[in-house]
Amino acid sequence: NAGVTQTPKFQVLKTGQSMTLQCAQDMNHNSMYWYRQDPGMGLRLIYYSASEGTTDKGEVPNGYNVSRLNKREFSLRLESAAPSQTSVYFCASRQRGAGDEKLFFGSGTQLSVL
Amino acid sequence: QKEVEQDPGPLSVPEGAIVSLNCTYSNSAFQYFMWYRQYSRKGPELLMYTYSSGNKEDGRFTAQVDKSSKYISLFIRDSQPSDSATYLCAPNFGNEKLTFGTGTRLTIIP
Repeated sequence: NAGVTQTPKFQVLKTGQSMTLQCAQDMNHNSMYWYRQDPGMGLRLIYYSASEGTTDKGEVPNGYNVSRLNKREFSLRLESAAPSQTSVYFCASRQRGAGDEKLFFGSGTQLSVL
Repeated sequence: QKEVEQDPGPLSVPEGAIVSLNCTYSNSAFQYFMWYRQYSRKGPELLMYTYSSGNKEDGRFTAQVDKSSKYISLFIRDSQPSDSATYLCAPNFGNEKLTFGTGTRLTIIP
């Protein structure tokens, strides 16, 4: 049981380059999330998808786009990377209404923008 | 004022000690109170979950919620080196926009 799988694990970009972070979950969860984690700032929600076909902005959506490709996959795109987007990115999923509100996280993508 | 305040540490304690980790929050509408543990270079994982004031115990871990003071605590008894991690509190409404504290980095010294 793989859980939440993120690719790539590490990435270095130059300012202005674009890239897509991939996320897939095999737990048949409805809700999926993208967070970024920065020192002293904690985990901040970028975008989320409450169900297949829907996406909504979180706390820090500027500079990002997302696609909920199907129930399993939720990708995060940086169209024109900036140094301020250097961070560790986590994808997460959960099944709402399961009673414990438990989020399952991937292992993260460490992104550096030079 | 941040919605959730958590001392970032770092906190170092000897093995076997009792550890107390704390958070305060500002929004009295929070209903669910969670603690996540995050090992270095890993994603967070749910450690404790409660939706009421009072104490909840799970092995060596006790989560305590005081809604009147807007104060959340996590106690670790008989701390072990394997408890060395960052602990994030997460008081929430039960909607999609989950809120996390900044995390407290804990080291248990053998």
